[in-house]
Amino acid sequence: AQRVTQPEKLLSVFKGAPVELKCNYSYSGSPELFWYVQYSRQRLQLLLRHISRESIKGFTADLNKGETSFHLKKPFAQEEDSAMYYCALSGRGLTGGGNKLTFGTGTQLKVEL
Amino acid sequence: EAQVTQNPRYLITVTGKKLTVTCSQNMNHEYMSWYRQDPGLGLRQIYYSMNVEVTDKGDVPEGYKVSRKEKRNFPLILESPSPNQTSLYFCASSLREGYGYTFGSGTRLTVV
Repeated sequence: AQRVTQPEKLLSVFKGAPVELKCNYSYSGSPELFWYVQYSRQRLQLLLRHISRESIKGFTADLNKGETSFHLKKPFAQEEDSAMYYCALSGRGLTGGGNKLTFGTGTQLKVEL
Repeated sequence: EAQVTQNPRYLITVTGKKLTVTCSQNMNHEYMSWYRQDPGLGLRQIYYSMNVEVTDKGDVPEGYKVSRKEKRNFPLILESPSPNQTSLYFCASSLREGYGYTFGSGTRLTVV
């Protein structure tokens, strides 16, 4: 079974402070990990894919297989970063089909002035 | 415009009255999926589909049915809705493994 854990329900930081949103996973195979963002009253949007090793809106995330983590980081938080962030893992379904996406419970990031 | 379209956006219904939430994507994606979002529980997968006529249960399939007769459509059926199915529902589609999913705008369902 695949599982994603986001230990923090709420993270509050001041503008300009560094941000780290934690994500740990459990999966027996080789995982594909993602971060999604949901701004207030909007649909979920894909933020990052670990396989592309990209930086989007100043956010980065590195897959650490030893620690089974995929933490999301940004060096300087902006007010517009306030949103709900979900970590997600793509693995195999019950019948072996791939691309089954499992989400963590999410972390609400609040950036204060 | 490439998108996932869900209908309706809002629905209030009564216990036991069958309903269908439609989902359509215009990106020729192989994979489609339904999630429900509840406070404190995040998004939980209901069903997903790997291709036409191929579906698999997610983590919370009880009380729901799906079908994938065409590649673009993946309706969610509640045969006998109950109040515990009051939730925000999202449909999503994906081109292939590793690409991530594109989400619809959501359907807020209230069962009274």
